[in-house]
Amino acid sequence: GAVVSQHPSRVICKSGTSVKIECRSLDFQATTMFWYRQFPKKSLMLMATSNEGSKATYEQGVEKDKFLINHASLTLSTLTVTSAHPEDSSFYICSAVGLAGVGQYFGPGTRLTVL
Amino acid sequence: AQSVTQLGSHVSVSEGALVLLRCNYSSSVPPYLFWYVQYPNQGLQLLLKYTTGATLVKGINGFEAEFKKSETSFHLTKPSAHMSDAAEYFCAVSERNFNKFYFGSGTKLNVKP
Repeated sequence: GAVVSQHPSRVICKSGTSVKIECRSLDFQATTMFWYRQFPKKSLMLMATSNEGSKATYEQGVEKDKFLINHASLTLSTLTVTSAHPEDSSFYICSAVGLAGVGQYFGPGTRLTVL
Repeated sequence: AQSVTQLGSHVSVSEGALVLLRCNYSSSVPPYLFWYVQYPNQGLQLLLKYTTGATLVKGINGFEAEFKKSETSFHLTKPSAHMSDAAEYFCAVSERNFNKFYFGSGTKLNVKP
């Protein structure tokens, strides 16, 4: 149980385009989902906290207009990287906390490459 | 505010030797503590976690960690390293509701034959 999926696992896009990454909790309902970014050979940096039905809370330094987060249901959150640039290339990982708050479960990550 | 410090960005051990990866945290209240492993181009896999109860926590793949409140530490150990243990390891803390994880900078473990 407690499986989180991400789609796509890898995406390559051209500079200036937008990319949407989905995060789904497959077998549980998630009140809260988190989005992290991992730079090469670096740790994970929390980008934002996403609560179902409300606006996401962004960490300091994260551009909310660039990284659009939508938590449309208790099993789905999406991260859209708008007008992507090469410096947005990174590994994006989502996680989800179940309704009972018994744990935070991580997705497998999405590798974004912007050419 | 919470923070996590992992001493040593790279640790190299011989196969069969003891593995010790260090993690210290700072927190105003005792947090939840975690160790994750990450293989190249993959997501995070939970090794073990401490929330309450026994301070010595056993995880998967023979790893264990001990929560020492007085030292604000949660070091990860394994008695005998295996080649398959080569990976990056992250220590993390969270608030006591599993929200807001804070990760250490990671330690890359190399296992020599």
